[in-house]
Amino acid sequence: EPEVTQTPSHQVTQMGQEVILRCVPISNHLYFYWYRQILGQKVEFLVSFYNNEISEKSEIFDDQFSVERPDGSNFTLKIRSTKLEDSAMYFCASSVLGTPTAEQYFGPGTRLTVT
Amino acid sequence: GENVEQHPSTLSVQEGDSAVIKCTYSDSASNYFPWYKQELGKRPQLIIDIRSNVGEKKDQRIAVTLNKTAKHFSLHITETQPEDSAVYFCAAEGGGADGLTFGKGTHLIIQP
Repeated sequence: EPEVTQTPSHQVTQMGQEVILRCVPISNHLYFYWYRQILGQKVEFLVSFYNNEISEKSEIFDDQFSVERPDGSNFTLKIRSTKLEDSAMYFCASSVLGTPTAEQYFGPGTRLTVT
Repeated sequence: GENVEQHPSTLSVQEGDSAVIKCTYSDSASNYFPWYKQELGKRPQLIIDIRSNVGEKKDQRIAVTLNKTAKHFSLHITETQPEDSAVYFCAAEGGGADGLTFGKGTHLIIQP
């Protein structure tokens, strides 16, 4: 069964550095999402992406965040200047159609640690 | 925006007993309610979902009920087994939005 994949599984970076988290959504899916989960807390929506543009973003997704679909398979989340509070698990998800028509399937996550 | 409340935060049941987790939501325009199971250090996995045109959905030992009038939905797990131990998250899609709003999670512990 196809799954969403993410790399790296763990990223450690220093405050102020830029990081890029990578995701490969399920191949026939058209909608892509990023969520984050601070340790021990709930999953929070960051952004959704469809047809090469952002379709929705939350208050968390400020100017330091950006997303890109650089090619036909990858979907990336860039954090320009990381802060300590950006430390979290970042999940990518994809769905074949938009919510609520289709289910969202999550990747295994990238644990980002900002020191 | 949408707000989802989930209770209880921790639920301990004897193996073989039933478990019920409850969620409420605030946006009456929401019409999609998935449940995810997350084992320690792993991805959230969709286990069941319900859309607003039905009141109940069942898949083997798992069922979900939805009361749109009261704006609450519940997960029911019968004949619990040790492998059911995990954190369960409810979520709601705010009407017309793509992003899911999650509850805070319920840590389900199955006692042998």
